[in-house]
Amino acid sequence: RKEVEQDPGPFNVPEGATVAFNCTYSNSASQSFFWYRQDCRKEPKLLMSVYSSGNEDGRFTAQLNRASQYISLLIRDSKLSDSATYLCAAFNTGNQFYFGTGTSLTVIP
Amino acid sequence: EAGVAQSPRYKIIEKRQSVAFWCNPISGHATLYWYQQILGQGPKLLIQFQNNGVVDDSQLPKDRFSAERLKGVDSTLKIQPAKLEDSAVYLCASSSLWTAVEQFFGPGTRLTVL
Repeated sequence: RKEVEQDPGPFNVPEGATVAFNCTYSNSASQSFFWYRQDCRKEPKLLMSVYSSGNEDGRFTAQLNRASQYISLLIRDSKLSDSATYLCAAFNTGNQFYFGTGTSLTVIP
Repeated sequence: EAGVAQSPRYKIIEKRQSVAFWCNPISGHATLYWYQQILGQGPKLLIQFQNNGVVDDSQLPKDRFSAERLKGVDSTLKIQPAKLEDSAVYLCASSSLWTAVEQFFGPGTRLTVL
């Protein structure tokens, strides 16, 4: 079983829509979680960290559910510029960092 | 502040040839990571250094891949000999602490093995 699993999508949504991505992790000892954004042919860049019960940054909300071992990313009022691949990542007690396969989002005018 | 530097940006080789990639992390970052990202997949950690010591290399195919960070600053990743399935983007990242803080990625080296 993979350490981190995501639905690869693609998600195609109209501008202004709300979209949510989920990511599950297999290691219950995982300590920290992150969402990265990766544009086509570019390197990943940190979007948000998710350390405890979740956090919000403008239109983006990340949540952690330790009981069910998943994290989520909610994007409200989608913009064309939100089109990208969203990668979730988990850091476990073995100092190992695992990325999911990424979820592709296209926001349509 | 300068970001993570990698070179070359692109490399095309034939199978069974050797290739080396170079990474210079952000100044002062003790932790350095090498990832392999195959098209359509997420980055896969190959090796993680803390200063010049290896923290994790469990997913590094050691029969053909090697990496070093001799002075605890820049690093090289080598593939010898290359196979077709090694075609991927090789990403280098660095972070200031080894306990789960933001990783900063370089632009990557896109390797094509023919």
